[in-house]
Amino acid sequence: GAGVSQSPRYKVAKRGQDVALRCDPISGHVSLFWYQQALGQGPEFLTYFQNEAQLDKSGLPSDRFFAERPEGSVSTLKIQRTQQEDSAVYLCASSSKEAGFKTQYFGPGTRLLVL
Amino acid sequence: QQQVKQSPQSLIVQKGGISIINCAYENTAFDYFPWYQQFPGKGPALLIAIRPDVSEKKEGRFTISFNKSAKQFSLHIMDSQPGDSATYFCAAPLSGNQFYFGTGTSLTVIP
Repeated sequence: GAGVSQSPRYKVAKRGQDVALRCDPISGHVSLFWYQQALGQGPEFLTYFQNEAQLDKSGLPSDRFFAERPEGSVSTLKIQRTQQEDSAVYLCASSSKEAGFKTQYFGPGTRLLVL
Repeated sequence: QQQVKQSPQSLIVQKGGISIINCAYENTAFDYFPWYQQFPGKGPALLIAIRPDVSEKKEGRFTISFNKSAKQFSLHIMDSQPGDSATYFCAAPLSGNQFYFGTGTSLTVIP
């Protein structure tokens, strides 16, 4: 695996539907981050995992947002009862201890459109 | 509260010219200042980064200048090329590994 991969790349949901977004980090990277990027804006931090432990979820905008990484590799960001304001690109990034955790490698993102 | 303030919002530069993008920050606890480059449909990619113990770092055509007293850092792209046309973000981490990103600068290099 060359880099971080995310799926699906595009998702259209009707308001009120639940969605699940997947992130496959670079193999061996212990740290994983989720960001939300609104159109024309910079990424905004959502949550952070170190291995399977969710160490920071302060950026999750509401209790409709939930993230997990049960085996310390693949992560899923779930959004329940989607709202139009949830429309954005959701970016996943990973980093390694060897890089000092500061060098984050981003995936291509999942573009979510809520109608 | 915006942790990093980035300007300009957009920039048009002639091929061969110098592109300059600026960022200002408030929190003196920031200890690492990266610049990311993002092409349409792609995730941000780390371009160059600096720590506050140096005032300048150069990698090829890209230079970061850092002014600790003014709490500002800037990205200079020398000999700008059409392939440099992208959106650039400054960022800074606080404690842990959470990053704050600027609002982005859309750079267009005209051939």
